[in-house]
Amino acid sequence: QVQLVQSGAEVKKPGSSVKVSCKASGGTFSSYTLSWVRQAPGQGLEWMGGIIPVFGTTNYAQRLRGRVTFTTDESTSTAYVELSSLRSEDTAVYYCARDRGARGLTAWGRGTLVIVSS
Amino acid sequence: SYVLAQPPSVSVAPGQTARITCGGNNIGSNSVHWYQQKPGQAPVLVVYDDRDRPSGIPERFSGSNSGNTATLIISGVEAGDEADYYCQVWDSSSDQLVFGGGTKLTVL
Repeated sequence: QVQLVQSGAEVKKPGSSVKVSCKASGGTFSSYTLSWVRQAPGQGLEWMGGIIPVFGTTNYAQRLRGRVTFTTDESTSTAYVELSSLRSEDTAVYYCARDRGARGLTAWGRGTLVIVSS
Repeated sequence: SYVLAQPPSVSVAPGQTARITCGGNNIGSNSVHWYQQKPGQAPVLVVYDDRDRPSGIPERFSGSNSGNTATLIISGVEAGDEADYYCQVWDSSSDQLVFGGGTKLTVL
């Protein structure tokens, strides 16, 4: 059973960037889509996009295009999301999840809190 | 973009059946997944592909999907089922994954 371990909380200034990591263990990393989902305080889930590590193919949510970048390091089975030009509205818990398409998002990381504050 | 509509809240007494709806244009032609999220925790998949359960999810959780409404059905509701529930589909017309706004299930 795959486990996804995420990096620790971050506090960032508006206008800066943040990079969150998600390390997979216990399963195949490269073949499945790795999706990123965020949740602002008291709000619902927002899909940010996904990446297929073996191909490096990315698909970004329309409203984040231009500010978000997904990358992976297959040697360490780690995925990264980088969000730039941070604003207060980006304050949220960021989750990575294994996306198995018709089987849903089957495994989730515990989340990384990102706070954007001056 | 594709929109999924969920009621903000549903309340049910213990032992009764909870039904949480997820409305979307012709959602019956999509595969719908449902997630349970308890406070301070990551979401957990409870139903996938309209009605199937991942291993470890109780049989009390089931689903249906037809026309413009998908439904998560929780039979014999227990206090531990109190959580937020989200529906999710893949919108093939825009190649985007879409979540519903979430429903807070309260066990009375």
